[in-house]
Amino acid sequence: QVQLQESGPGLVKPSETLSLTCTVSGGSISDYYWSWIRQPPGKGLEWIGYITSSGSPTYSHSLRSRVTISVDTANNQFSLRVTSVTAADTAVYYCARGILRDGHNFPPPSDYWGQGSLVTVSS
Amino acid sequence: QSVLTQPPSVSGAPGQRVTFFCTGSYSNIGAGSDVHWYQQIPGTAPKLVLFGNTNRPSGVPDRFSASKSGTSASLAISGLQAEDEADYYCQSYDSGLNDWVFGGGTKLTV
Repeated sequence: QVQLQESGPGLVKPSETLSLTCTVSGGSISDYYWSWIRQPPGKGLEWIGYITSSGSPTYSHSLRSRVTISVDTANNQFSLRVTSVTAADTAVYYCARGILRDGHNFPPPSDYWGQGSLVTVSS
Repeated sequence: QSVLTQPPSVSGAPGQRVTFFCTGSYSNIGAGSDVHWYQQIPGTAPKLVLFGNTNRPSGVPDRFSASKSGTSASLAISGLQAEDEADYYCQSYDSGLNDWVFGGGTKLTV
């Protein structure tokens, strides 16, 4: 059974960099789309970006100036960095796996999700 | 404001049928992008319940169905059960933004 697990600091100071890692177990990281999605407290889902297993990232237009997603296929992990954080970046951050099936169009549906990691931006 | 518009809430009695709507535009749903639906019980991660406009993942009961027409999509749940109470989000791809976009979510009360 595929499992995803987010890890990283739960508290980040304003203007600093948020860093999270997602570890994938029970399956290969190859041939999928690996994405980050966040959810501010009491609000809806916001897509941050994704990276392919070959290392090609795509970012949300609203966050791309501050976001970097990378993949480490040797360790079955992918990571998220968000720079210059503010209180507006406080959210539960989810990692998820997407698979694009034959005959279907973008976006790949996210069939496996991590449990989520709450990151609070506060001094 | 979300690119995909969903009503904030829907309610129904046990056993009834409810429908959720997701309204987009010609740069996303109307452009042929797939629509997916996620169920999120508060405090837990979203769960994929419909993908590719009309398809159910294994394990999702056939009480859940979906369709797509023009610039809109819909999710229907028949035979409502208390366990269906959750937030439901639609997702698609917007070619103008090059973003995977979510609707604002609809809270289902049973």
